[in-house]
Amino acid sequence: QVQLVQSGTEVKKPGASVRISCKASGYTFSTYYINWVRQAPGQGLQWMGIIKSTDGTTTFSQKFQGRLTVTRDTSTTTVFMELSSLRSEDTGVYYCASSRYLDGDELLDSWGQGTLVTVSS
Amino acid sequence: AIQLTQSPSSLSASVGDRVTITCRASQAIRNDLGWHQQKPGKAPKLLIYAVSNLQSGVPSRFSGSGSGTDFTLTISSLQPEDSATYYCLQDFDYPWTFGQGTKVEVK
Repeated sequence: QVQLVQSGTEVKKPGASVRISCKASGYTFSTYYINWVRQAPGQGLQWMGIIKSTDGTTTFSQKFQGRLTVTRDTSTTTVFMELSSLRSEDTGVYYCASSRYLDGDELLDSWGQGTLVTVSS
Repeated sequence: AIQLTQSPSSLSASVGDRVTITCRASQAIRNDLGWHQQKPGKAPKLLIYAVSNLQSGVPSRFSGSGSGTDFTLTISSLQPEDSATYYCLQDFDYPWTFGQGTKVEVK
């Protein structure tokens, strides 16, 4: 069973950057992809981007292009998400979630517990 | 980006009722649609993938159907623990997108 454990709550000032980690276990790291999803307070889910654990290839939502960096460390099976130039609208809970192929179908099947990021002066 | 429109935005139903939630895509997305359930203060949880495949461990009262642009999530007999917000997600094309969510209240 895939388990994803994220780093803890962050409080940042506008203009700063935040880096969140997502430690994966319970599966072969290279067979899964890791997605990042944001949820603003009281709002719905917003897909931010994905990193392929196989080769580190990333694809991001245009909304976050230029501010979002996602990397992986295969030795520790950990994925890192960094969001820069933070503004108050970036306040929310950030989730990592794994996706994989099963019998030709892609599914996003496991979620981390979420990391609360508060951006405030 | 592909837009997903869910309806209704919220509903209230009684225990044992049959509940249907609709998700409409702005273009055809083959069978690349899943449903996730989120309870307050918790991470989402996958219920159904590829339109109609039940994720392991999910009760059989949940089912999904549809094709092309129109999809539905059905709860055949609503239970108190089904009180949650439900989101559809398309993984047909990047950026992946979620519907805006449907909040289900159990009376």
